[in-house]
Amino acid sequence: GQNIDQPTEMTATEGAIVQINCTYQTSGFNGLFWYQQHAGEAPTFLSYNVLDGLEEKGRFSSFLSRSKGYSYLLLKELQMKDSASYLCAVVDSNYQLIWGAGTKLIIKP
Amino acid sequence: DADVTQTPRNRITKTGKRIMLECSQTKGHDRMYWYRQDPGLGLRLIYYSFDVKDINKGEISDGYSVSRQAQAKFSLSLESAIPNQTALYFCATSGPGDTGELFFGEGSRLTVL
Repeated sequence: GQNIDQPTEMTATEGAIVQINCTYQTSGFNGLFWYQQHAGEAPTFLSYNVLDGLEEKGRFSSFLSRSKGYSYLLLKELQMKDSASYLCAVVDSNYQLIWGAGTKLIIKP
Repeated sequence: DADVTQTPRNRITKTGKRIMLECSQTKGHDRMYWYRQDPGLGLRLIYYSFDVKDINKGEISDGYSVSRQAQAKFSLSLESAIPNQTALYFCATSGPGDTGELFFGEGSRLTVL
């Protein structure tokens, strides 16, 4: 079967750095997405990785290792507004999106 | 105004009732999707449509049906609602391009008593 694993919940301090991991086992791979979802709201796009390496976009970076079936989202200089769930999703060989259950990130002052 | 609009945003209904959730988009995208989200689970695909004449079942289509009335409109129906269909439902669109990034509506929270 296909599986995406992420930690259920993480806590971090305002101003700090946090890394949210995502491991996947899917039938094929055609890219990996990270989305941010504030409570009660729609998911919004953060990043897309299809090649190995680090993609940096402001305070957020996303890393991919296809050989290890692993990605992480790195958030720097955390702000209270970063409190949200972060969803990892993989595009499989049929170009279908397989979603993880999401990681709830709690930011403390 | 939102590019992807869902109605209603909240609905409480009783077991056995027929419910329709509507989605309209102004992004000009051909591809539209219906997902449901439950606590502790990832988003699960119910139906998707790549154009007006193309409708496909997702992983959890049982108990649901859809209608693609126009490029901009994609409706989800529950013919006879049951309590385990209580969930947050999202409509999404995607356009041409390599990544297939999804653009989500604001969600419709459905409670079936």
